[in-house]
Amino acid sequence: NAGVMQNPRHLVRRRGQEARLRCSPMKGHSHVYWYRQLPEEGLKFMVYLQKENIIDESGMPKERFSAEFPKEGPSILRIQQVVRGDSAAYFCAISELSPRGAPNTGELFFGEGSRLTVL
Amino acid sequence: KQEVTQIPAALSVPEGENLVLNCSFTDSAIYNLQWFRQDPGKGLTSLLLIQSSQREQTSGRLNASLDKSSGRSTLYIAASQPGDSATYLCAVNSYGQNFVFGPGTRLSVLP
Repeated sequence: NAGVMQNPRHLVRRRGQEARLRCSPMKGHSHVYWYRQLPEEGLKFMVYLQKENIIDESGMPKERFSAEFPKEGPSILRIQQVVRGDSAAYFCAISELSPRGAPNTGELFFGEGSRLTVL
Repeated sequence: KQEVTQIPAALSVPEGENLVLNCSFTDSAIYNLQWFRQDPGKGLTSLLLIQSSQREQTSGRLNASLDKSSGRSTLYIAASQPGDSATYLCAVNSYGQNFVFGPGTRLSVLP
């Protein structure tokens, strides 16, 4: 997991506040995935980003959630007006290039996750 | 839409046993399948990646097989140890979709 740094590791917010989660892939990786793991549930895909571009956001809730990956700096997952149901672990991952060179068909490596608790 | 299931949901075995974890998927048009391990409160650690053209991969005491036509993969753990206790997840990377995860198998190896 050393190739993907996430912070904060733990975040506590009150209902209605904003949560910002950051993901810094190791140098040379320009594609990141965000996944959410609700308590006692499996990992669900949220969004797949390339620098300055959202490739697939089919798993993102329609409201309050947004993600970006600017040219400089980490990828940010932003949750506005948090509710208790947003309490979960949020994981960022990078994908190695496959033997065919496609950026999203290789091995997936995860960060340690950011655990959001909404009071 | 790809769906991934894993059985059993939980497994408890005495130390030293060989065991098999199962993963099934509905769409055989895949790039690859990956097995992960997750310890409580931690991230996911990649164990093995099998490309769609491969039948199996081995790493130490772990062996993963892939039967694309039947939509199945198995993770074989030889001579299990208490340190193997964790949740094991399989993830399938399909054409036109991103990695889809199964719900996991919770393994407990008793000393």
